[in-house]
Amino acid sequence: QQQVKQSPQSLIVQKGGISIINCAYENTAFDYFPWYQQFPGKGPALLIAIRPDVSEKKEGRFTISFNKSAKQFSLHIMDSQPGDSATYFCAASMGGKSTFGDGTTLTVKP
Amino acid sequence: GAVVSQHPSWVICKSGTSVKIECRSLDFQATTMFWYRQFPKQSLMLMATSNEGSKATYEQGVEKDKFLINHASLTLSTLTVTSAHPEDSSFYICSARGTTGFEQYFGPGTRLTVT
Repeated sequence: QQQVKQSPQSLIVQKGGISIINCAYENTAFDYFPWYQQFPGKGPALLIAIRPDVSEKKEGRFTISFNKSAKQFSLHIMDSQPGDSATYFCAASMGGKSTFGDGTTLTVKP
Repeated sequence: GAVVSQHPSWVICKSGTSVKIECRSLDFQATTMFWYRQFPKQSLMLMATSNEGSKATYEQGVEKDKFLINHASLTLSTLTVTSAHPEDSSFYICSARGTTGFEQYFGPGTRLTVT
């Protein structure tokens, strides 16, 4: 049973456009929802994260929207740049232990 | 801040030998570290949770006698792949839980190739 479902698997966006990646979780005990960015051959880097008592969090061009009742959260990347091309993973954590989505490969075309 | 290092970054070993991978939190103390493996174009799979001064907790299906984890100090955890076989070839990544208890900071990963 996959506890965190992520979509889409891949995404192509034009430079300057908005990239949107969605995740859904099942376990209501999760209490922390981070997004990670991973470049090939590198470890994941924490991008932005949200707690379930907040519906939205924005850091620069990155925004997390969180819908507790629907058990869904999404990452929005505004003004997407070619340098944003990477694999993005959502995760849901409980007690500091994370369950990851399958990842989304984002390609931003110049 | 919150930097995690891994050593080595890549290693090639022969089948049947053992390999040790180190994970260090450089600027904070980490009572809990996690070890993951990642296959190409796949997600991270949690192997075990490592707590300083106690035995690691392994995820279901992970052989604890094959993947030995030691967390001897608040800044160092090691993963030893014993009697490595080609199917153990993978990208191994550690993470350290931050001081708030929520965030995880990942190391750069270790590429293991077993020939």
